[in-house]
Parts: sequence; structure tokens; C-alpha cells
Amino acid sequence: AQSVAQPEDQVKVAEGNPLTVKCTYSVSGNPYLFWYVQYPNRGLQFLLKYITGDNLVKGSYGFEAEFNKSQTSFHLKKPSALVSDSALYFCAVRDRDSNYQLIWGAGTKLIIKP
Amino acid sequence: GAGVSQTPSNKVTEKGKYVELRCDPISGHTALYWYRQSLGQGPEFLIYFQGTGAADDSGLPNDRFFAVRPEGSVSTLKIQRTERGDSAVYLCASSLTGAYSGNTIYFGEGSWLTVV
Repeated sequence: AQSVAQPEDQVKVAEGNPLTVKCTYSVSGNPYLFWYVQYPNRGLQFLLKYITGDNLVKGSYGFEAEFNKSQTSFHLKKPSALVSDSALYFCAVRDRDSNYQLIWGAGTKLIIKP
Repeated sequence: GAGVSQTPSNKVTEKGKYVELRCDPISGHTALYWYRQSLGQGPEFLIYFQGTGAADDSGLPNDRFFAVRPEGSVSTLKIQRTERGDSAVYLCASSLTGAYSGNTIYFGEGSWLTVV
């Protein structure tokens, strides 16, 4: 069965420090991987995706993520956190070989402390 | 348009009433999706359109929910005999081509439905 795990409900980081939001996945074939961010009372905004090629993907607002096939992970990272990064972050996966539906993680609340 | 547009942004309705939620996708996007999201949870798939046809409606919770996309652009999600459990944010999204691809899915701001 396909699944996405975001093991941390909440991540707290001090402003200026690096941040990591974890995501692991399980699909039967090769994955397409996505990160979205949701600010309070707003829709989902696309951050970045892995389709193929370079395992390190750079996205919006200085975020990046590294696809690790052996560990089936796609952790979201940023070298220096901003208070404005505080939001809910969702990881999603699609099995490119067999299933078109996006499978979503439960979300991680990121809190950046001033 | 520049982004996915959803109307109304907020809707309060009484239990038992009929509700329509409208979605205008990004111009040129052939794939359109409806999701439902409860507070603090990830999106829950409802239905996927490729062009005018519903390619997958397996996520619709019951026969009170129905969606159309008659001209392959604007879509309407229709909820009959609303129940309090239908209260949620209804998200519409679109992508350039079909879902069997790495195309990015872009979301609207959502329609916040409250059934009282």
C-alpha cells in the first residue's frame, strides 16, 4: 500500500537556525514527490517537487529537499529559518508507474521562534 | 486566470440545504481535482476530471455529493441535504495535463463550508 509519513506533528526552530521537516514514503514503483505549504486560513501552495534527475531539488522561498531512494525519504530543508516560514507543511507522493492519485502526509506544523 | 479561483470563499448554510461550490481552474489546465480538508489534516481526495469527464469519482463520500465540469473548464461541486459533518474546507486544484504525470497540482484558496 502506498503511504506517506511525516513523523513529527510539530517542529520548533529558532529564527536563523537551519530547519528540517521529515518525510518518508512507500510506493510500489518510482515516486513523484511534492512539498506544499499552508498558511493559516489559506489554500495549499506548491513549494517544490522531485520528478527525476538531481536528487537535490530547490524550490520557493529558499527551501530545498533531497530525494533519498535508499531511505525512501524526501526531507524538506532550509539553511536559515524565518519567522514567516511558520506554517503547516505537507509532503505528498504519486507512484508514477501505477497510480495517479496524490497520497498526502498528515502535515507538520513548523514554528519558528523569534 | 492567474491562479485557481474558488467561490464562495465562505459559506454558512443550514442543515438540509443544498450548496454549490464553484471552481475556475488555471487557464489551459485540462485536469481538475476536488479535495476536502478538515482542520489540521491533509487533503482528502474527492474527484478528478480530465476534460469534461470525471475520470475518478471514488472519493465522493456518498450520493449527496456530485460534481460537474460541462465545458472542460469551470467545475461545480454540489452537495445536497447538507449535514453538519460536511463542514470543511473544499479545495479545488488543477494541473496542466492528466494526473499520470509529474505535473504540479495548483490549489485554490478553498471554500470554507459551515453547516449549522
